Amino acid sequence: KQEVTQIPAALSVPEGENLVLNCSFTDSAIYNLQWFRQDPGKGLTSLLLIQSSQREQTSGRLNASLDKSSGRSTLYIAASQPGDSATYLCAVNAGGTSYGKLTFGQGTILTVHP
Amino acid sequence: DTAVSQTPKYLVTQMGNDKSIKCEQNLGHDTMYWYKQDSKKFLKIMFSYNNKELIINETVPNRFSPKSPDKAHLNLHINSLELGDSAVYFCASSQVVVGRNTEAFFGQGTRLTVV
Repeated sequence: KQEVTQIPAALSVPEGENLVLNCSFTDSAIYNLQWFRQDPGKGLTSLLLIQSSQREQTSGRLNASLDKSSGRSTLYIAASQPGDSATYLCAVNAGGTSYGKLTFGQGTILTVHP
Repeated sequence: DTAVSQTPKYLVTQMGNDKSIKCEQNLGHDTMYWYKQDSKKFLKIMFSYNNKELIINETVPNRFSPKSPDKAHLNLHINSLELGDSAVYFCASSQVVVGRNTEAFFGQGTRLTVV
């Protein structure tokens, strides 16, 4: 059974700092991994999708890396801003009979203070 | 133009009532899902439908009955609501090719409160 863990559970940083959010998964047989952002009382916004054959993906100030063999992914946020404050979720898709099912971590609550 | 939209956004109802949540996607995806986010913010899949067929049912009580009239719609009907059903329910969609998922998109969520 796939389990996804995110560390840390919460993170508070001053504006401008670079930061790393961690995600680990127990079963390395994944097809892809997706990072989401959730603002309070809102839905999930997809940030990056990284395929199992890829090592990293970049979008603006965000960079996601994937080490499938060790069951780890990181989300790097450069030059953080107060608007980055949100809960960040990673989710893995195993493909095959899981048929698109995403298994989520419990999230990292990020606060960026001015 | 919202990719995945669900209604209502908020639902407050009494125990024992029956309620429905509707979901529509305009992305042309073939697979739709219902996820439940509990009070600890943990997201877990409930159901998935591919081309109107039920594919995944994650041991959800049979008081929950999804229905997919077509590829673009997936509704969730809940009978005899219980206090423990209070949660945020998210609809999502993606394209699944040979069991493999493309980027998944989520709706804004329906916050269900049972009193």
